[in-house]
Amino acid sequence: DTAVSQTPKYLVTQMGNDKSIKCEQNLGHDTMYWYKQDSKKFLKIMFSYNNKELIINETVPNRFSPKSPDKAHLNLHINSLELGDSAVYFCASSQVPGVDQPQHFGDGTRLSIL
Amino acid sequence: GQQVMQIPQYQHVQEGEDFTTYCNSSTTLSNIQWYKQRPGGHPVFLIQLVKSGEVKKQKRLTFQFGEAKKNSSLHITATQTTDVGTYFCAGDNNAGNMLTFGGGTRLMVKP
Repeated sequence: DTAVSQTPKYLVTQMGNDKSIKCEQNLGHDTMYWYKQDSKKFLKIMFSYNNKELIINETVPNRFSPKSPDKAHLNLHINSLELGDSAVYFCASSQVPGVDQPQHFGDGTRLSIL
Repeated sequence: GQQVMQIPQYQHVQEGEDFTTYCNSSTTLSNIQWYKQRPGGHPVFLIQLVKSGEVKKQKRLTFQFGEAKKNSSLHITATQTTDVGTYFCAGDNNAGNMLTFGGGTRLMVKP
């Protein structure tokens, strides 16, 4: 049983295109996150949602728009893709918001911009 | 802003040797978490430390939280090839509302 699942696993696209990444968790958690991991492995939080409500937005360009239709899903739409967007994007969830909560990560989406 | 730094960035060891990674924060942390990411994989939660001076063990892994709650370490005794991966520490930011990950220590084990 996959706890946090992301699709697609790989995404190769041209600069300027728009793309979406989907995430679903079946852990019954209230809180979901999007992280970006660059080529040097730095993990940076982008967004956090608690029960469909945005609670963290870490100075991410407006081209990135998260959407949470319900607390089990957090999708990420990216407009006008740029070369610098190439990275691995991880979705994660935790039971409730809070820095003392273990985070459960999905397998990641490897985005490559040509 | 608050930073969580990890050293070393990379470590090559011979199988059977010990390994330690260190995590330092510029501010006092409420707790620290450790994660392991295998090559091509995703971060997996290992443990959380909350109390000053706390020490926890998981088989060959020993985790420590400093007395001042500004640093932490992960020590692996007698490394195995299955220990290969990047180890991340993560602590709360200044506002206490989100985890900040260290840059990670990439461990490579030669059989």
